[in-house]
Amino acid sequence: NAGVTQTPKFQVLKTGQSMTLQCAQDMNHNSMYWYRQDPGMGLRLIYYSASEGTTDKGEVPNGYNVSRLNKREFSLRLESAAPSQTSVYFCASSEANRAYEQYFGPGTRLTVT
Amino acid sequence: AQKITQTQPGMFVQEKEAVTLDCTYDTSDQSYGLFWYKQPSSGEMIFLIYQGSYDEQNATEGRYSLNFQKARKSANLVISASQLGDSAMYFCAMREPTYNDMRFGAGTRLTVKP
Repeated sequence: NAGVTQTPKFQVLKTGQSMTLQCAQDMNHNSMYWYRQDPGMGLRLIYYSASEGTTDKGEVPNGYNVSRLNKREFSLRLESAAPSQTSVYFCASSEANRAYEQYFGPGTRLTVT
Repeated sequence: AQKITQTQPGMFVQEKEAVTLDCTYDTSDQSYGLFWYKQPSSGEMIFLIYQGSYDEQNATEGRYSLNFQKARKSANLVISASQLGDSAMYFCAMREPTYNDMRFGAGTRLTVKP
């Protein structure tokens, strides 16, 4: 089992460019999440998907869109990147009734110049 | 308002000693969950322990225990018999069903000294 995988691992974008971060899990989890981690601020929830076909905003959704493509995959899109979106992005998944026990991917380090 | 507060940016502990990492939280929900994650320097997030607000006993998982004091709204992590591999960032977090959201604290960097 690979667990939760994320691509790419690193990315540098210019302001205004767009990109999609990919996430996939092979644990048959219903729920998936996207977080960003900034220095000194811990993790903040961007969007989550409680089950296939549903998505909801988290604490910091502005500037992002998500797609729950199927049960395995949950992508995060930046339509017009801004320097404030420089961060490390983590995808996670969990069983529906065990949201506290999330399994995290290795993260994507994004720099927007 | 800050939902989760970790007041110790950094902590040091001698190998084999116990250490307590502080966490206080703010919620008006009666039902909520508290949990701790570890983030080693490699960057991955590792789930450690969970405490439900209605759980009467403090949660324990091996060398980790959660000192839950509901009236004081605190959920401190106790690591017994520290090991060098415990050196990492530790995050306290809370889930509130009302908001269906999860909030993390800013983290505490623990360094275990040989």
